[in-house]
Amino acid sequence: GEDVEQSLFLSVREGDSSVINCTYTDSSSTYLYWYKQEPGAGLQLLTYIFSNMDMKQDQRLTVLLNKKDKHLSLRIADTQTGDSAIYFCAESIEGNFNKFYFGSGTKLNVKP
Amino acid sequence: NAGVTQTPKFRVLKTGQSMTLLCAQDMNHEYMYWYRQDPGMGLRLIHYSVGEGTTAKGEVPDGYNVSRLKKQNFLLGLESAAPSQTSVYFCASTMGRSTEAFFGQGTRLTVV
Repeated sequence: GEDVEQSLFLSVREGDSSVINCTYTDSSSTYLYWYKQEPGAGLQLLTYIFSNMDMKQDQRLTVLLNKKDKHLSLRIADTQTGDSAIYFCAESIEGNFNKFYFGSGTKLNVKP
Repeated sequence: NAGVTQTPKFRVLKTGQSMTLLCAQDMNHEYMYWYRQDPGMGLRLIHYSVGEGTTAKGEVPDGYNVSRLKKQNFLLGLESAAPSQTSVYFCASTMGRSTEAFFGQGTRLTVV
């Protein structure tokens, strides 16, 4: 089956940039997503990228996609303590209705 | 806008008891999903539905049943709860080929 992998933890200082990485196995991915989960809450879509794009920027967020290496990253510029959360990478696959495959999540800890 | 609402938010069950988790969405979405979230394992799809009256199995369907009698509601049932079903359960919905899944706040279930 589809396999989406992420590192489990990342710790940065407030004001630094954070880079969260994700690898996936299915080359027929249509969309790749980043979701954010704050403590005790559901998942909230942060951003997504279509698989024929290399980069997408949205304010402090930059998504980079290396389709050849099946590698997706999320860069958060000027990381704030409010960015502390778990970040999930997910993919959906063409022709498989809207099935989403999630990574295990990366817990981002932002130190003041 | 309520979005996706799950009830209850917390529940403790004894082994062998049964219960039903309710998911309701007010966005007229076609697709609805039930996921479970376990530490270090991300979200795993239990069952899903592509429309009223239809359901299908996901990755980890054993021990669960679902029903979608009304378009806005997706019920997840545990007929005989087991400690292995201790988890956080998330419901989600999407509109057709939408790029975004909307998540409920989660139900934390403990089976003792």
